[in-house]
Amino acid sequence: QSVLTQPPSASGTPGQRVTISCSGSSSNIGSNTVNWYQQLPGTAPKLLIYSNNQRPSGVPDRFSGSKSGTSASLAISGLQSEDEADYYCAAWDDSLNGHVFGTGTKVTVL
Amino acid sequence: QVQLQESGPGLVKPSETLSLTCAVSGYSISSGYYWGWIRQPPGKGLEWIGSIYHSGSTYYNPSLKSRVTISVDTSKNQFSLKLSSVTAADTAVYYCARHDLYYDSSGTVYYFDYWGQGTLVTVSS
Repeated sequence: QSVLTQPPSASGTPGQRVTISCSGSSSNIGSNTVNWYQQLPGTAPKLLIYSNNQRPSGVPDRFSGSKSGTSASLAISGLQSEDEADYYCAAWDDSLNGHVFGTGTKVTVL
Repeated sequence: QVQLQESGPGLVKPSETLSLTCAVSGYSISSGYYWGWIRQPPGKGLEWIGSIYHSGSTYYNPSLKSRVTISVDTSKNQFSLKLSSVTAADTAVYYCARHDLYYDSSGTVYYFDYWGQGTLVTVSS
């Protein structure tokens, strides 16, 4: 049912920069803000980025978010082993009148 | 520190009603914010179920709306989820979470900032 599309996987070596894309439409990303969540194995999701590019207190500045048109991106710079997790984008959808999550991207640190 | 804790049966029979409660500590539900439920089938992605404001106003995922009821009990500082006529497809880890919701020049700003640890509910006879 996900209306936000993400690549299933992404990977990088320690220290590299990894970027995850999130593709939506005019009714969600195109007209509302985007959030990103990190889900470590066996744990609840954690808010990583909100309102397109804002980091909650405690989130390292290695994580950054951006939005352009109907797409958004999450960048992880200086990749670390503890960044190995699933990442989800999310936004409000005006057409569905509901909150939608992306399909999720599994990041692997090689 | 805001904390949320889900509770309820881990096993529900098909066609019955799934009932979960989320106890909130460290913040009074009556003070504001929205309170929602999200689920995640084993090995799959996240799905928003619905949310409630402390006043009791609710909004639900259109795909689940006919089967979902979310209620709040401010006296106990908790909110609850009922999902009726469950099938095996409703087997999932169910999370409760707090979220903010407001509108600015960027559009609707909506994000879950505090989450419970999640509880696995299996639908099986």
